[in-house]
Amino acid sequence: AQSVTQLDSQVPVFEEAPVELRCNYSSSVSVYLFWYVQYPNQGLQLLLKYLSGSTLVKGINGFEAEFNKSQTSFHLRKPSVHISDTAEYFCAVIWTGGGNKLTFGTGTQLKVEL
Amino acid sequence: GAGVSQTPSNKVTEKGKYVELRCDPISGHTALYWYRQSLGQGPEFLIYFQGTGAADDSGLPNDRFFAVRPEGSVSTLKIQRTERGDSAVYLCASSVSPASGGQETQYFGPGTRLLVL
Repeated sequence: AQSVTQLDSQVPVFEEAPVELRCNYSSSVSVYLFWYVQYPNQGLQLLLKYLSGSTLVKGINGFEAEFNKSQTSFHLRKPSVHISDTAEYFCAVIWTGGGNKLTFGTGTQLKVEL
Repeated sequence: GAGVSQTPSNKVTEKGKYVELRCDPISGHTALYWYRQSLGQGPEFLIYFQGTGAADDSGLPNDRFFAVRPEGSVSTLKIQRTERGDSAVYLCASSVSPASGGQETQYFGPGTRLLVL
């Protein structure tokens, strides 16, 4: 079955430190990949997406992600985090030819500490 | 411009009751999606509309769940004979057009938090 895995449920990090949030997916077909952020009591907001082309994708708020087809991964990175980055981060996939529905991972809670 | 709006923001009901959740998409968006997010989980797809018709309802858990979009804009998710397990945040999203097969960004509303007692 096709699935999305976010192994880290929580990631604590100090302010100004780098962070990587991991995402892996299982698929035998091409995919579109997304990272969404959910701030407390707010809706999901798109950070970035990979559709095709360059495997390094840059998004909003200084985040970037790299698509690795051989490892079926799409890890999210930020070189220096801020307190305001504290939120829940969701990786999501659309399998091409499988419709337009997003399949989400279980999320990673990023907690930035002083 | 205005984003996706959902009403009510919170709904408390009793087991066995009927509820309706409303979604108002971004103006001009032809595609509309419903997802359900249980505590500690990522959102799960329920149903997707292209215009007035349901293009994919494979995520609806059973026949107690039904959704409509009669004029191709506002959508209502209807849940009959609610059960405690239906408690979750129900999210709505819209996109410009699904014609490109999933490439369009889905914009999410703030959700309706449903609690079934």
